[in-house]
Amino acid sequence: QSALTQVASVSGSPGQSITISCTGTSSDIGGYKYVSWYQRHPGKAPKLMIYDVSNRPSGVSNRFSGSKSGNTASLTISGLQAEDEADYYCSSYTSSSTLVVFGGGTKLTVL
Amino acid sequence: EVQVVESGGGLVQPGGSLRLSCEASGFTFSTYSMSWVRQAPGKGLEWVSGITTSGDSTYYADSVKGRFTISRDNFKNTLYLQMNSLRAEDTAIYYCAKEVGSRIRGCDYWGQGTLVTVSS
Repeated sequence: QSALTQVASVSGSPGQSITISCTGTSSDIGGYKYVSWYQRHPGKAPKLMIYDVSNRPSGVSNRFSGSKSGNTASLTISGLQAEDEADYYCSSYTSSSTLVVFGGGTKLTVL
Repeated sequence: EVQVVESGGGLVQPGGSLRLSCEASGFTFSTYSMSWVRQAPGKGLEWVSGITTSGDSTYYADSVKGRFTISRDNFKNTLYLQMNSLRAEDTAIYYCAKEVGSRIRGCDYWGQGTLVTVSS
């Protein structure tokens, strides 16, 4: 069982906006600003989409945005495109002896 | 172009050892923390270990603590993961990843991974 909780799957139609949530505790998401989101296409290496809760790396579309409220972080994808169909993982710095924890992943299907 | 390339994976018996390497290029290796992340078959991503820029500070997931050792050679631009007392549950693709900065807080470049299979 993953330390961070993500819904297993979400779906949306092209052009729509969707939000993927990631729930942790005050020891991880709620206590630190180091939340990241990764996109994973089958057979490919993970790609960083958001770091430090809401920062986008260079080259990542501004259709992707991140936020945090309390112990829950969120990734919002606006203007959904077919190429966005992938698995999305959240991660957070944690005060536990394991420095970094991941969520179990959310499969995004673009209808 | 930033690149990280893993090597050293393979088939090993339970209780055995393996050393993974990760050659980095395209960035100033010594100024970034680095991490290892794995994905077991049918499972999600699991952070395994991280190391700060100089190698002075190392961190491990509870699942590998005491069995795995992370290290780096900033002259060779290479990251290592020494894995001892391997178990079946260590079977996974192991990814080397460059952290965003000098702290362990998010990985912006990943290798393609190296497969470690622990089986008799």
